[in-house]
Order: sequence, then structure tokens, then C-alpha cells
Amino acid sequence: EVQLVESGGVVVQPGGSLRLSCAASGFTFDDYTMHWVRQPPGKGLEWVSLISWDGRTTYYTDSVKGRFTISRDNSKNSLYLQMNSLNTEDTALYYCTKHGTSGWYGYFDYWGQGALVTVSS
Amino acid sequence: QSALTQPASVSGSPGQSITISCTGTSSDVGSYNYVSWYQQHPGKAPKLMIYEVSNRPSGVSNRFSGSKSGNTASLTISGLQAEDEADYYCTSYTSSSPYVFGTGTKVTVL
Repeated sequence: EVQLVESGGVVVQPGGSLRLSCAASGFTFDDYTMHWVRQPPGKGLEWVSLISWDGRTTYYTDSVKGRFTISRDNSKNSLYLQMNSLNTEDTALYYCTKHGTSGWYGYFDYWGQGALVTVSS
Repeated sequence: QSALTQPASVSGSPGQSITISCTGTSSDVGSYNYVSWYQQHPGKAPKLMIYEVSNRPSGVSNRFSGSKSGNTASLTISGLQAEDEADYYCTSYTSSSPYVFGTGTKVTVL
């Protein structure tokens, strides 16, 4: 059974930093691209970032470029999101998602339960 | 990259069919067959319902179907049931982002 478990969500002040983690199990982690998707309270889904199976290729949505860094440790079956220079618009539930195919064209077939990040003074 | 456009809400009576549209551009929906649909119940994580325009994952009811014409993709739910009441989101691969979600549609079963 595929499981994705996020951790690291907390309340942080504007301008602060935070690292989210996602522990994966139930599949061959280093075969798949992984994504972060976020959802502000009461709002819709927003794709944030992806990282290829080998960590060599990353993409970001424009609003987080230069502030967020996605990474992975295949030896630990773990995905990370380093978030710097946080602002109130980054407040959201952050989901770790598994890509459904090899490569990064396609869809998200499994989702974690999310980690809540609240940016507030 | 602007969000794909979905109707804010769609409703129907049990047993009826409803269709949710997802309108993009020639840079996303119109150029790629990588449109997928997700169902989200309150307080729950999204669940994949349709991938690559019209394919259903194992375990998803055949009452759910997807299609695409030009820059618009559609999700149809036939034989509407109370358990289908949820939010639905489309997403597409794009030439720039590389992914963009739709604005989301709340489905109400009357």
C-alpha cells in the first residue's frame, strides 16, 4: 500500500523558514517523480514544485521561485521542501504527491494527508 | 500561468448526469492529453478520478468519465449518488508551469 506522510508543518513568522518532509513507502521511491501541491484554507489546489526520480530536474511555480527548494533522499525514501522568506500567502496545507508514470508528464496518483503551514505574526 | 476555468458549482438530483467543464488554452489543455481530474471531500486529500483525459484508475466507478475537445476538458458523472457530493479539480500539463490546476467545482446532490 502506497503511503505518503508529511511532517514539519508549524506556525512561522513572516520572513521565516521551514522545511517540510514526506516519508514514502509502499512503492519504489526512486522510480518516480514527486510533487508538492498546496491548498490555502478554503481555497483551491495549486501545484508548487516537482523533482525528477534522480533529483536532477526540478520545477517551481513562479510565486515560489528563488524562495523554495525541493529535494529528495532516495536512500531514505524521503521528499523535502525547504521554504524560505515565507509570507502570509504561503499559508496552506501542503500535500506530497507521487507522480503516476515515469518521467513528469502525467498526473498525481497518490496523495498524503498534508502538512499545515501557517505564516503569521 | 493562469488557473484553468471551471464552473464554481454544479448540481443534480440522484440518478441524473452532470458535466463539469475545464477550460484552458492552446498552451495546456489544447496541446496535451495530460488532463486529470481529482475528487476532494471536506477535510480529505484529493483522489485521482480520471487521468490522461479519459482513463479511470482501478477502483474508480465507471460512472465517472472524461473527454476533451479543443481547449476544454470535461468530467461527466452519470447516475449521480449522494457520495459524489464533493469538490472536483482538473489539472493539465502546460508548456510553461509545468502544471496548472482548475479553479475547482463544488458538486451538490439535491
